[in-house]
Amino acid sequence: NAGVTQTPKFQVLKTGQSMTLQCAQDMNHNSMYWYRQDPGMGLRLIYYSASEGTTDKGEVPNGYNVSRLNKREFSLRLESAAPSQTSVYFCASSPGGAGSSYNSPLHFGNGTRLTVT
Amino acid sequence: AQSVTQLGSHVSVSEGALVLLRCNYSSSVPPYLFWYVQYPNQGLQLLLKYTTGATLVKGINGFEAEFKKSETSFHLTKPSAHMSDAAEYFCAVINTGGFKTIFGAGTRLFVKA
Repeated sequence: NAGVTQTPKFQVLKTGQSMTLQCAQDMNHNSMYWYRQDPGMGLRLIYYSASEGTTDKGEVPNGYNVSRLNKREFSLRLESAAPSQTSVYFCASSPGGAGSSYNSPLHFGNGTRLTVT
Repeated sequence: AQSVTQLGSHVSVSEGALVLLRCNYSSSVPPYLFWYVQYPNQGLQLLLKYTTGATLVKGINGFEAEFKKSETSFHLTKPSAHMSDAAEYFCAVINTGGFKTIFGAGTRLFVKA
């Protein structure tokens, strides 16, 4: 089983460029999440989707947009990249979600390392 | 709002020594608590979780954690450290009534030979 797959693994952007980070899970999970990881700050939630067709803002949504394309896929878009968005981005999924229990652990992808110059 | 505090951004132990990683949470209702581990260049993996029931929770790789409501703590322990335990460890809580997992800042564990 692949679990949670993120593409690309690495990306370098110039300030102002746009890109989309892709995430897919094959576990039939209800919820999907995007986090960013920065040294000393743990993981901060950008956006999440508790069920197909719904998305909600997390702690640090500014500068990002998301799309829950279907139950499997949840993409993160940077419309105009800034150096402050240099980070490692993790996608995660969980069987919990709308209409289900919410004490389920997260399953993570291996991350996308993004550098904005 | 719920939050998690991990005491110590770095912890160093000798191989074979006790591992103790500290986590305190704030929550107005009984929380769901988790410990995750992250090895270099990988995503996070679940070590163990507390939802309800027994307050001493056993996880993978010999780790365990004890939920102490009176101290609002969920410290992670392992009796004898192994070199392969070197990694970053995150304590996390799920917010009440929602689906958002909130993470602490992480503690990097170093194991000396």
